[in-house]
Amino acid sequence: DADVTQTPRNRITKTGKRIMLECSQTKGHDRMYWYRQDPGLGLQLIYYSFDVKDINKGEISDGYSVSRQAQAKFSLSLESAIPNQTALYFCATSDDRAGELFFGEGSRLTVL
Amino acid sequence: AQSVTQLGSHVSVSEGALVLLRCNYSSSVPPYLFWYVQYPNQGLQLLLKYTSAATLVKGINGFEAEFKKSETSFHLTKPSAHMSDAAEYFCALSKAAGNKLTFGGGTRVLVKP
Repeated sequence: DADVTQTPRNRITKTGKRIMLECSQTKGHDRMYWYRQDPGLGLQLIYYSFDVKDINKGEISDGYSVSRQAQAKFSLSLESAIPNQTALYFCATSDDRAGELFFGEGSRLTVL
Repeated sequence: AQSVTQLGSHVSVSEGALVLLRCNYSSSVPPYLFWYVQYPNQGLQLLLKYTSAATLVKGINGFEAEFKKSETSFHLTKPSAHMSDAAEYFCALSKAAGNKLTFGGGTRVLVKP
């Protein structure tokens, strides 16, 4: 089983719908992140959390919200999806010793 | 503010030829630097990382990168390209271990037989 699991892996929805992307991890890391990938733009940070009581906005948080339900779970919500939120979304985890981030396999979201 | 610039969104190399992917950064503090690879329909996998130890860093699959502070660069190289190296490569920077990453725009590598 993957250390960082994202669900769903693929989702097609319509404009105005509420969508939740979920992330769970078995690495025991305190820090979790949500990134969005668009062609040519690399990955951009949406939200991040350094522990269960800590939530921080990233570069592109408008139109998104998050919930850190437990150390192992971090979900991303789009309250009212719009077409320009069509993208590949990645969850990642880290701790302050490893240095790097560990990524899930991504959730591809299409908003029609 | 910190930033990462990858020169060239697409690179084409012949099998067996040198792979050189360029990355320049801007940071107000000594950076931690990373190269990640993304194969089609997969997540990001760490190739190598620089965390203020040796300036020449060796990674997986024969890749290496050299940190040059004077040039604010962290270019990725591999002496001999293999067909399996076809992927997208991302350079990234953070201000501290395990901290949020700032990514470059990515470079897609095509390997020709």
